[in-house]
Amino acid sequence: DVKVTQSSRYLVKRTGEKVFLECVQDMDHENMFWYRQDPGLGLRLIYFSYDVKMKEKGDIPEGYSVSREKKERFSLILESASTNQTSMYLCASRGRDSLNTEAFFGQGTRLTVV
Amino acid sequence: KNQVEQSPQSLIILEGKNCTLQCNYTVSPFSNLRWYKQDTGRGPVSLTIMTFSENTKSNGRYTATLDADTKQSSLHITASQLSDSASYICVVNYGGATNKLIFGTGTLLAVQP
Repeated sequence: DVKVTQSSRYLVKRTGEKVFLECVQDMDHENMFWYRQDPGLGLRLIYFSYDVKMKEKGDIPEGYSVSREKKERFSLILESASTNQTSMYLCASRGRDSLNTEAFFGQGTRLTVV
Repeated sequence: KNQVEQSPQSLIILEGKNCTLQCNYTVSPFSNLRWYKQDTGRGPVSLTIMTFSENTKSNGRYTATLDADTKQSSLHITASQLSDSASYICVVNYGGATNKLIFGTGTLLAVQP
């Protein structure tokens, strides 16, 4: 059974804190993604990575950074959390033939910044 | 602009009834379209994929259709069950050079006993 695992289901952080969201996949996928999901807006791409140490900005990268030191792990970093980053964060992975392969999602991390 | 629009935004039906969810897209070039089901507090899970040449595909009580000419897709749920209560998201894979999925905002379905 394929698995994308996010380190936390729920997080509460204070404004200004540095926040790390971790994602691990066991499918040997090249492509990994971080999205945020907000009511009425759907999923929006923050960053993606197509290989180890490679990263590309998505549609809303401001206030975020990422790290991919190992193929199976993709981390999202909020350098200085703000209340407008309160959201559901979803990690996903896809294989190399990405046009036809399914994106597998983690269970999500609901982050609240107070 | 590449967009995916879904309707209705939300829907309430009685258990055992059928329903149809709609997805219109303006993504070009088009590669494929997936319907995902997202239970509350969980990540989305793929139900079905439609490629350019496919018109209809079934997965149990779920049947997806695709009209590539009008750029419309639908998801029909037959004999609904309480466990069908979820958000259903239409996702179009952009066929250009970038590795990009374009998401609709979803239809929230509530099945009541």
